Amino acid sequence: DGGITQSPKYLFRKEGQNVTLSCEQNLNHDAMYWYRQDPGQGLRLIYYSQIVNDFQKGDIAEGYSVSREKKESFPLTVTSAQKNPTAFYLCASSIRETGSYEQYFGPGTRLTVT
Amino acid sequence: ELKVEQNPLFLSMQEGKNYTIYCNYSTTSDRLYWYRQDPGKSLESLFVLLSNGAVKQEGRLMASLDTKARLSTLHITAAVHDLSATYFCAVDGETSGSRLTFGEGTQLTVNP
Repeated sequence: DGGITQSPKYLFRKEGQNVTLSCEQNLNHDAMYWYRQDPGQGLRLIYYSQIVNDFQKGDIAEGYSVSREKKESFPLTVTSAQKNPTAFYLCASSIRETGSYEQYFGPGTRLTVT
Repeated sequence: ELKVEQNPLFLSMQEGKNYTIYCNYSTTSDRLYWYRQDPGKSLESLFVLLSNGAVKQEGRLMASLDTKARLSTLHITAAVHDLSATYFCAVDGETSGSRLTFGEGTQLTVNP
């Protein structure tokens, strides 16, 4: 089955610790994305990558870092510099077919930092 | 900067009624996407609209795109409780590469 997996589903960390969220896809998609969603809010783009070994900052990149060493994987590190990291994190991927950039989303990771 | 605005942001309706959610965007684009999100869950793709005048229908939902007006609508026919969710539209701007800009979402509640 093709799809996007995110792990873990729930993650609890103490303030001041870095934490890495996993995102893997086997859809052979070129582009991958990380979004943050706060309760009752929309999606905000953190980072995206359109090709291996390249990525761009989104609208709220401060306090986050990413890498894209393999096409299938796009891990997100939430650093201690992120002031309010508790949120729902969504990973997505896309491929351009017939002019569409439709994004497919993973199940999400809910991060709680205390 | 591409802006995407949805209205209403909150919609409470009775079962059996019809209603329309509007999605306006600020730049030239002929590609628009609708997603559904259930509480505590991820986003699920509903419709992909790729040209002016495109219309897609699935069950009680119908989406359309007017690129000249920079407007998409999501029409709900004879609402049922199972349609209760948050609906997002997203636009792929001509100069934004593959990134999408999402609206704020419309939280729909269908009451018996």
